[in-house]
Amino acid sequence: GENVEQHPSTLSVQEGDSAVIKCTYSDSASNYFPWYKQELGKRPQLIIDIRSNVGEKKDQRIAVTLNKTAKHFSLHITETQPEDSAVYFCAASIRDYTNAGKSTFGDGTTLTVKP
Amino acid sequence: SQTIHQWPATLVQPVGSPLSLECTVEGTSNPNLYWYRQAAGRGLQLLFYSVGIGQISSEVPQNLSASRPQDRQFILSSKKLLLSDSGFYLCAWMGSPYNEQFFGPGTRLTVL
Repeated sequence: GENVEQHPSTLSVQEGDSAVIKCTYSDSASNYFPWYKQELGKRPQLIIDIRSNVGEKKDQRIAVTLNKTAKHFSLHITETQPEDSAVYFCAASIRDYTNAGKSTFGDGTTLTVKP
Repeated sequence: SQTIHQWPATLVQPVGSPLSLECTVEGTSNPNLYWYRQAAGRGLQLLFYSVGIGQISSEVPQNLSASRPQDRQFILSSKKLLLSDSGFYLCAWMGSPYNEQFFGPGTRLTVL
């Protein structure tokens, strides 16, 4: 089955700096890669996703890059703010009409943005 | 719009007691439904998923079971809880293979 590894497990940055979280996956058939943000005690919420036919996607201060050949994808947060502090999860899944849409998640990265 | 509910929000149960967690989805039909468990400080582990009424697939062997008695209802159960069953249980739904999964608010289970 799919295996997703996420690094680093903890990340501390100064407000205004950039943060980068990296994930690798093992199943070359995976074609959908979402990133979730989870605040303490809350549900994970999607912040950005990317599909395998795209190499990069941006949404304001957040961007995700995908390298299918190397089977890795990364989350980039620029101009970090204290409210960006949370646990971030990457995931990989195969999305098509023959698949149940199961997602394999990384273990998470705890991001702390210091004011 | 679609919403997903889970109850109870928190639960404290003794070892060996039964468990029943419920998840319901509104505003959609025939969704894929998922149960995840999140241990403290860890990622999300997929426990069960269902693509339709009565159709349950188990991802990991354990003393938990799942049922889908109605299209938009997903239930997680156990006959006898173990200490290791403690965690944050999240239900999720997906309406289309090309869409994201939406998570419910979760149930925090503590087994003592």
